[in-house]
Formats: sequence, C-alpha cells, structure tokens
Amino acid sequence: GQQLNQSPQSMFIQEGEDVSMNCTSSSIFNTWLWYKQDPGEGPVLLIALYKAGELTSNGRLTAQFGITRKDSFLNISASIPSDVGIYFCAGPSGNTPLVFGKGTRLSVIA
Amino acid sequence: SAVISQKPSRDICQRGTSLTIQCQVDSQVTMMFWYRQQPGQSLTLIATANQGSEATYESGFVIDKFPISRPNLTFSTLTVSNMSPEDSSIYLCSVEDLAGGLTDTQYFGPGTRLTVL
Repeated sequence: GQQLNQSPQSMFIQEGEDVSMNCTSSSIFNTWLWYKQDPGEGPVLLIALYKAGELTSNGRLTAQFGITRKDSFLNISASIPSDVGIYFCAGPSGNTPLVFGKGTRLSVIA
Repeated sequence: SAVISQKPSRDICQRGTSLTIQCQVDSQVTMMFWYRQQPGQSLTLIATANQGSEATYESGFVIDKFPISRPNLTFSTLTVSNMSPEDSSIYLCSVEDLAGGLTDTQYFGPGTRLTVL
C-alpha cells in the first residue's frame, strides 16, 4: 500500500492553543480517516472524510479532505490536557483496506 | 459503532510458545481485521479475517506464524506462533460494517499488549 506522510512528528503546545497537523500522499485517496490513540488503548476514530473538499467538525476538531485528494489536515482548537495522545491519519490504498501514517504525538503543557 | 473487546488485554510469554488472542464484537459485522503495532510505531495490517474461509494475509505475514480463525460474524482469533522477542507488540482487532453504509471505516478494539521474553 501507499505510504502516508504525517507532519509534524511531534508537537509541544500550551493549553488553549490551536493545533494543526496534516497528512499527505503521492497517490489519490478516496477516504481519509483520523484516529487518536491514548497510551495503552486502541485507536479511536475521530473524523471520517469521504469526498474531496469535504470539511467536517467533531466538537473542537475539524478535518478537511484536500481538493487534490492527496492530502488532509486535522485542526484542534483551544487544546486541553486530554488532547494528549498520538493522532494517526489512515486511508484505503490499493488492495490494502487501511494504511496508516506514522502519527503525530501531541503533548499539551498546562 | 460496534463495541469490540479483546482477550487477554496483556500477556508476558516465553519464547517458543504460542498465544491466541480473541476478538469479540457485540453485533454482527461484515469485515474483521488484525493489526500489529510494534513499540513506538504505527499500525500495520496483518490480515483480513474472512468468515468461513482462510484469512487474507498482507505481504510479510504468513499463516503458519499468524493463524487466524473467524467462525462467525462476531468473533475472531489471532494466534502468534513460536514467539520470539521480536513479536513483542500490541495486537489490535478492528471491524468494518458495510451494512452500516460507511465503507473503508474501521473501528478498533482496545488491543492486546504482548511481551515475549
């Protein structure tokens, strides 16, 4: 399957700040998924995007499916300590049901 | 979304032994998958568990090492055979319910943390 490139790899932010992270691919994706993984837990689906240009919100989270279908971003507004975790993008690629990016590790300083 | 449970949640095993991990879903689902997450790494798909037939393995994973069963639409097992310390990982079960209308969307269980000594 295709590799997904996530950036940044890690972020240290102050509580209350906004966060932006993105995911890019060299090939087209038809679905973009964003997951959050807390330590010792399985990934939890945050937002699913199915159409180019789609902008979807889930509380303080907003994600967009890029127009070129080769990228997606996730924004978190007014971060709080429980936002700490690893954020993964994922999408189906070729015959592989889902491929995952390497993740963005978010740390929030109170 | 479906509620997914895994057993055991964690285990410490000796090299050369085998461990079977169970995944139970609270409703019938179309697709079930098994992933491996090595320490500090992302998730890698091991195989798709097919009901009533052999699992479909991804490149780099073989049935002899990771036999999988799926006897019905709510249950699957993954066995990690002849373990070595390199098999120390989190093993995750996921499901996709095509009947729910959302294709390509998977939900994950809590994972099984395996340590091989």
